[in-house]
Formats: sequence, C-alpha cells, structure tokens
Amino acid sequence: LAKTTQPISMDSYEGQEVNITCSHNNIATNDYITWYQQFPSQGPRFIIQGYKTKVTNEVASLFIPADRKSSTLSLPRVSLSDTAVYYCLVGGGRRALTFGSGTRLQVQP
Amino acid sequence: DADVTQTPRNRITKTGKRIMLECSQTKGHDRMYWYRQDPGLGLRLIYYSFDVKDINKGEISDGYSVSRQAQAKFSLSLESAIPNQTALYFCATSDPIRDRVAENNEQFFGPGTRLTVL
Repeated sequence: LAKTTQPISMDSYEGQEVNITCSHNNIATNDYITWYQQFPSQGPRFIIQGYKTKVTNEVASLFIPADRKSSTLSLPRVSLSDTAVYYCLVGGGRRALTFGSGTRLQVQP
Repeated sequence: DADVTQTPRNRITKTGKRIMLECSQTKGHDRMYWYRQDPGLGLRLIYYSFDVKDINKGEISDGYSVSRQAQAKFSLSLESAIPNQTALYFCATSDPIRDRVAENNEQFFGPGTRLTVL
C-alpha cells in the first residue's frame, strides 16, 4: 500500500484559497490519487480524484506533478462549512485503500 | 432513500456480548468494506469483500468476523465485545471504473454505527 503524508492540521479564514499537499513517494503506476472530506460523526465523502496533471470539479482542484510523488488539493474561497478533515488516498484495483489520519482544516470567520 | 444503510445507528452493550452490525446497499456494487474510527483518528480497515465469495482481512481484523450474505449485504460481528472496540463503525461500497491506465476506487459510505462496549 502506498503510504501518504499530509499535514495534521491547517487554519484558514473565510474567502481564502486553501492548498493541502500530500506526499506519496512510493505511488505505483496504476494508482489513482483520491481525496475525501469528512465531517464529525459522518462517513467520508469523495471530493476529487486524478491520475496526472490537473483535475477540476465544482468543489476543488487537484494538482499532480509529472513525477506523481505528491499532490495538492486546492479549495477556492473556503467557507465555514469547509471545516472538516481531508484525507489523501493512493491506490486502487484490488488493493484496499488506507485512510491515514488526514488534515484537519479549521476555517475561521 | 440512502444508498448505503447501516443498522443499528447506535448500540450500547456489555463486555463479552456478541454483536452484529449490518450494512445494506442499493447501489449494485460488488465491493464492500468495514472500517472503524476512533476519536480524533482516521479510518482503519477491518475487512473488505470484492464479491460474495471473496472476503479479505484488513489492518485490524482480530476480534471481528464478517459475512457477505448477498451482493447487497455485508455484516460485521464482534464475537465477544471488549471495551476497546468502542468506536464509530462505517460500511462502504465501491464499483471500480477501469480505464486504459488504472482502476479507480471511489467509495460510498454509510452513516455509521456508534458502538459503546461497557
């Protein structure tokens, strides 16, 4: 299983852009990079997924450099409701994913 | 109606009791998972099943067993509950989408079961 490393916590203010970087040095050729969001007492929710370069959806952008050893989740103009834990996962196929401890994002007014 | 449901949502039991947590899904997915989450920590995988005949141990399977009764149902049992199994338990499903390069694995989670073992 590819191990991931991400900051334990981050603080931001409403309206700012937040970038959370995840390191995954031993990513395999056929691994996807997936980010989930979790609110207290709820199951994680899929945010975005990518394989290389840049992926954007209505919620976030995901930047993946050419070597794929890291990835950055970008949340544009965060609001209080974006306060949550964000998990970076790497893997796929028949290998079950490992969630890790995630990054706890606190958005202040 | 929710695609992934878990019953019960809350359960308090005593040490030594046998407990079963149930998960049902209407998404038609082959793959199902059981995770536990302790306060302030990430999710840890207990067991996963890629189809009704394919069940695999996860990171922390000791003290737990599972049953995949049908594609739509995946149950988690604690044969003799102990206090350190007090946690929030999540069930999830997935249906891998294959492309030329790789196979992704987005998971869909149930609402969770909060289990307390006294």
